[in-house]
Amino acid sequence: KAGVTQTPRYLIKTRGQQVTLSCSPISGHRSVSWYQQTPGQGLQFLFEYFSETQRNKGNFPGRFSGRQFSNSRSEMNVSTLELGDSALYLCASSLAGVTDTQYFGPGTRLTVL
Amino acid sequence: AQKITQTQPGMFVQEKEAVTLDCTYDTSDPSYGLFWYKQPSSGEMIFLIYQGSYDQQNATEGRYSLNFQKARKSANLVISASQLGDSAMYFCAMREGGGNTNAGKSTFGDGTTLTVKP
Repeated sequence: KAGVTQTPRYLIKTRGQQVTLSCSPISGHRSVSWYQQTPGQGLQFLFEYFSETQRNKGNFPGRFSGRQFSNSRSEMNVSTLELGDSALYLCASSLAGVTDTQYFGPGTRLTVL
Repeated sequence: AQKITQTQPGMFVQEKEAVTLDCTYDTSDPSYGLFWYKQPSSGEMIFLIYQGSYDQQNATEGRYSLNFQKARKSANLVISASQLGDSAMYFCAMREGGGNTNAGKSTFGDGTTLTVKP
């Protein structure tokens, strides 16, 4: 079974631009979560989607948004990019339950100049 | 308050020896899952092992075992017979269940960098 895929793998943007990241979960998984990883803040939970609905969210500004499609694929959008948004963005999928094991994709490394 | 604490920023172990990575957690939710992940320098997060809060026995997966002490709120990872390829960052994580607002959120510790010496 194919794992979690994320596109693109690398991205360079400038301040003020917006970016959309994509995540395709493992087949059969209905939950997708997004995380931001930086050297200073570690791994921070952004939000989780289940059956096209946001089930939970972390403490990030409204510039960070996401959505999930009927096939469970998810996108994450960051508007008005700031230098501090430079990070590795990780997507994880799980079956459905809130304590189910999450399997991560390879991540998208975003650099904001 | 931080919910996952990993007190060992870095650890060294000799190849073929066993090593224990510490993790303590904090939650008032009776239903939760505890996880360990490995992150090599490539960046991908690799799932290693899972322990449910209601599981009576410690989880094992090959060379990995989880020493679950519920009363002490600790979930230490034991790696037996270390290999050079085990050198990586290791994260302990928790997902809370129940009906609270944190349901589904994963909280990660700061990680432990493990270096296996030949």
